[in-house]
Amino acid sequence: GAVVSQHPSWVICKSGTSVKIECRSLDFQATTMFWYRQFPKQSLMLMATSNEGSKATYEQGVEKDKFLINHASLTLSTLTVTSAHPEDSSFYICSALAGTGSWDEQFFGPGTRLTVL
Amino acid sequence: AQSVTQLDSHVSVSEGTPVLLRCNYSSSYSPSLFWYVQHPNKGLQLLLKYTSAATLVKGINGFEAEFKKSETSFHLTKPSAHMSDAAEYFCVVTSLNNDMRFGAGTRLTVKP
Repeated sequence: GAVVSQHPSWVICKSGTSVKIECRSLDFQATTMFWYRQFPKQSLMLMATSNEGSKATYEQGVEKDKFLINHASLTLSTLTVTSAHPEDSSFYICSALAGTGSWDEQFFGPGTRLTVL
Repeated sequence: AQSVTQLDSHVSVSEGTPVLLRCNYSSSYSPSLFWYVQHPNKGLQLLLKYTSAATLVKGINGFEAEFKKSETSFHLTKPSAHMSDAAEYFCVVTSLNNDMRFGAGTRLTVKP
């Protein structure tokens, strides 16, 4: 089946630094990827929709200048948390929509746990 | 706008007894609905999905869900709980632009 990977699986950084998280579709092409954030014991909240070759669409309340998304190829989307602060500590999960465009073929990555000290 | 409400934040059952995890949805369109399971420190796994075909949907690991339009519900059931079923379960609805809206989650505990 379709596999989505994320790297790194966990990261610890100092406040004020930037962190990049990669999301890759390993065996299929994804024109659309999604980024979610999950706080402890809470549900996933959609942050943004990432489309290959165009600007990401951010959900209301998500700072686009803080959470930079780049979807430069059909198999890779990156999320960069800029000037990270402790409140950005969270579990970030990406998903990728299979290239057929069938809206139900969305596959999730294993997530990246970010801790900002 | 689409949304889902999971009616129980925590459900506890004994091993071998039935499981019922409740989900109600709200949608302006004919919805597509999913149940995902998340085990600790693991990625989301699709249990089953409803996409306007049969209203009773069978998924993996013995789970099934029934789409009831009149009740706007999509409850998840399993006849007999297993210890390995202990996890967080999410009911999800998809909007027209494919982004998913997750419910708050239900934590299932299975007692020996």
